[in-house]
Amino acid sequence: QVQLVQSGAEVKKPGASVKLSCKASGSSFISYYMNWVRQAPGQGLEWMGIINPSVGNTNYGQKLEGRVTLTRDTSTGTVYMELSNLRSGDTAIYYCAMMTGYAGGALDVWGPGTKVTVSS
Amino acid sequence: QSALTQPASVSGSPGQSITMSCTDISGDDGVYRYVSWYQHHPGKVPKLLIYDVSSRPSGVSERFSGSKSGNTASLTISGLQPDDEADYYCTSYTPSTTLMVFGGGTKLAVL
Repeated sequence: QVQLVQSGAEVKKPGASVKLSCKASGSSFISYYMNWVRQAPGQGLEWMGIINPSVGNTNYGQKLEGRVTLTRDTSTGTVYMELSNLRSGDTAIYYCAMMTGYAGGALDVWGPGTKVTVSS
Repeated sequence: QSALTQPASVSGSPGQSITMSCTDISGDDGVYRYVSWYQHHPGKVPKLLIYDVSSRPSGVSERFSGSKSGNTASLTISGLQPDDEADYYCTSYTPSTTLMVFGGGTKLAVL
């Protein structure tokens, strides 16, 4: 069973960038697509993007395209999410989530989340 | 694809059944999309309840069921329990593009 470990909380100023990590353990990292989902305070879940760890192909949600970049390090089994030009609305909990065992893009394994605070 | 539409809230009493909807799952292009449902208790990690419209992952109670009719997917919870009080989200996933979209979420109150 895959387990996901995420990096620690971050506090950033507006205009800065943040790079979060999500390390998969317990299974074959490159076999499963990794997604990032965030939830701002009082808001719903928002899909940010997806990466195929095997070949590095990515796709992003329309709202964040241009500011979000997903990358991976196959040697360490880690996926990174970088969000640039941060604004207060990016204050949120950021989850990584994998599609490991079920059809149709089901996110069945989730990381614990990383809190990002954007404040001047 | 735009965000899926879910009612902001639904409520029910313990033991009752409720159904919540998720509309606009097909989009305008007619491409088949997979529907999943998630339960999210505040402060906890979201949990997969239903995948591929109506299938349940192992370990998920039979009280949770999914269905689809036309452009609308539905989640039914039978025998409501206090712990079912949570936020519920639907997603639509397009395999050919790997694009996903969440619904706005429905807050379930068990009164």
